[in-house]
Amino acid sequence: QVTLKESGPALVKPTQTLTLTCTFSGFSLSTSGMRVSWIRQPPGKALEWLARIDWDDDKFYSTSLKTRLTISKDTSKNQVVLTMTNMDPVDTATYYCARTYVPGYFDLWGRGTLVTVSS
Amino acid sequence: DIVMTQSPDSLAVSLGERATINCKSSQSVLYSSNNKNYLTWYQQKPGQPPKLLIYWASTRESGVPDRFSGSGSGTDFTLTISSLQAEDVAVYYCQQYYSTPVTFGPGTKVDIK
Repeated sequence: QVTLKESGPALVKPTQTLTLTCTFSGFSLSTSGMRVSWIRQPPGKALEWLARIDWDDDKFYSTSLKTRLTISKDTSKNQVVLTMTNMDPVDTATYYCARTYVPGYFDLWGRGTLVTVSS
Repeated sequence: DIVMTQSPDSLAVSLGERATINCKSSQSVLYSSNNKNYLTWYQQKPGQPPKLLIYWASTRESGVPDRFSGSGSGTDFTLTISSLQAEDVAVYYCQQYYSTPVTFGPGTKVDIK
């Protein structure tokens, strides 16, 4: 069974750095063509893609957020980690990780984790 | 970045009637070398993550009821629910995967009239 699960703090303060972990099972990120992305959704709003890491360790970032984001993977632990610096209340959202098996649509999603940015 | 737009923002349809959602991309998502449109549709119900419905603009994901269909090419696409069921109440998003960054439409909310 293929699953993904997001974990991280539910509350962060403005200016802090957010670290989220996606732990997955049922597939390997060392398989050619496999990719994991982070996507977020502010309450009541649309989906926004943030970042992606590929099986070959290629990394891609949102144009508007790339200066604040870092994505990495630990293949042995089946984990993908996203860090986002300088958090602001507008970053309050549910953060999802999702799998892509080339070419680019998300066939499996985690349930998401709500992150609130507030002092 | 490719900008995705959707219309309408919301619609209410009677049970058993047809629902039609439109999606437009700011540039073509048709890849000429394989003649495939890099366009997908997701369904999102309250409190749930998005669920993949259709990819390559018109290919239904396994297990998706055949009342859901996708059509279109280039920059203009449509998701049709041929006979709306109560369980279809949700927000529907289109997404292009022609180029990185992938981008989503703003969503269309479907309700029962």
